[in-house]
Amino acid sequence: DAKTTQPNSMESNEEEPVHLPCNHSTISGTDYIHWYRQLPSQGPEYVIHGLTSNVNNRMASLAIAEDRKSSTLILHRATLRDAAVYYCILRDGSKVDSSYKLIFGSGTRLLVRP
Amino acid sequence: NAGVTQTPKFQVLKTGQSMTLQCAQDMNHEYMSWYRQDPGMGLRLIHYSVGAGITDQGEVPNGYNVSRSTTEDFPLRLLSAAPSQTSVYFCASRITLGSQPQHFGDGTRLSIL
Repeated sequence: DAKTTQPNSMESNEEEPVHLPCNHSTISGTDYIHWYRQLPSQGPEYVIHGLTSNVNNRMASLAIAEDRKSSTLILHRATLRDAAVYYCILRDGSKVDSSYKLIFGSGTRLLVRP
Repeated sequence: NAGVTQTPKFQVLKTGQSMTLQCAQDMNHEYMSWYRQDPGMGLRLIHYSVGAGITDQGEVPNGYNVSRSTTEDFPLRLLSAAPSQTSVYFCASRITLGSQPQHFGDGTRLSIL
């Protein structure tokens, strides 16, 4: 499975945008880029995913580099509730069995200052 | 719609005891899985199932058994608990079509003395 690299931690001020980077230099053409987050004492929560094009939803935006070797999760206005560990995960969409497995790294811990 | 429900939320066991962690989902998802999360680390896959009657091992299956007799339920069994199995356990489910996200339960916090 292709691996991802994320900073251990980042800090942001409340109501400011946050850009969370993820490097995945060995990504294959069939790997989807998924982002999950885990709030304290809760299970992981899906945030967004994409393959090649940038994606937007109500929670965040995902910007994918043209060569797909990196991506950035963008929270447009951070709130205190966004303080969590954010995981960038690659999922192979070409294989039925392996596409079901999520391989979690250690993620980025986002601290939001009031 | 309850989503993924895990019981119990907390449990303390003695070494050598057995226990079953329950997981149920009401979304008719074919795929279900169990993860464990140790302090300060990401989740690791224990076992997964792609449908009733079908299970397979993940990264860290030793010491755990699973079965899938119905679509809704996917229990995780510890036959002889060991202190190394102290962890937070998460169950997840998803549909199998496309690249859909997984839905996670709130976890079971298990301590083994």
